[in-house]
Amino acid sequence: GQQLNQSPQSMFIQEGEDVSMNCTSSSIFNTWLWYKQDPGEGPVLLIALYKAGELTSNGRLTAQFGITRKDSFLNISASIPSDVGIYFCAGRRSNYKLTFGKGTLLTVNP
Amino acid sequence: DAMVIQNPRYQVTQFGKPVTLSCSQTLNHNVMYWYQQKSSQAPKLLFHYYDKDFNNEADTPDNFQSRRPNTSFCFLDIRSPGLGDTAMYLCATSRVMGSEAFFGQGTRLTVV
Repeated sequence: GQQLNQSPQSMFIQEGEDVSMNCTSSSIFNTWLWYKQDPGEGPVLLIALYKAGELTSNGRLTAQFGITRKDSFLNISASIPSDVGIYFCAGRRSNYKLTFGKGTLLTVNP
Repeated sequence: DAMVIQNPRYQVTQFGKPVTLSCSQTLNHNVMYWYQQKSSQAPKLLFHYYDKDFNNEADTPDNFQSRRPNTSFCFLDIRSPGLGDTAMYLCATSRVMGSEAFFGQGTRLTVV
């Protein structure tokens, strides 16, 4: 089946630092989505990417759809304590189904 | 605000006692999904509706059923919950098959 390799699995950073995480796959995806999930809550959509090479920002967040269509990254600049949570990438191929990465747990120390 | 709303937020049920979780949406989206998320894992798709068409994932246990009486509402029925069904259950919607999915806040189900 389709597998998404999301890394790193966890990150511990100081407030103000920049963060980068990525997802890779052996399969081509048509859509990449990045979600953030707080404990006990549902995932919240951060950024959606639909075209290879697309670079999209949402405030301090920037995500890119890889040229090969097999990867995507998410950057967070100048992290703040409320950035704490689990970040999931999700990819969609030509059908309806989202394939999720295993998540990156981000901890920000004030 | 347009939203995906799940009720209840927390549910405790006894082993083997049927339970129903509900999801409603004000987005008027065609597609509604149910995911199961166990602790420290990614969400796992159980099934989805495209309008009234039901699509079950191959590995979804028969114990899990769903109903979508109208565009706005979708229900997840667990006929005989086992201890292993303890998880967060997430409802999501998307306008069409290829568009982004929006999640509700989830129902945390505990089977005792």
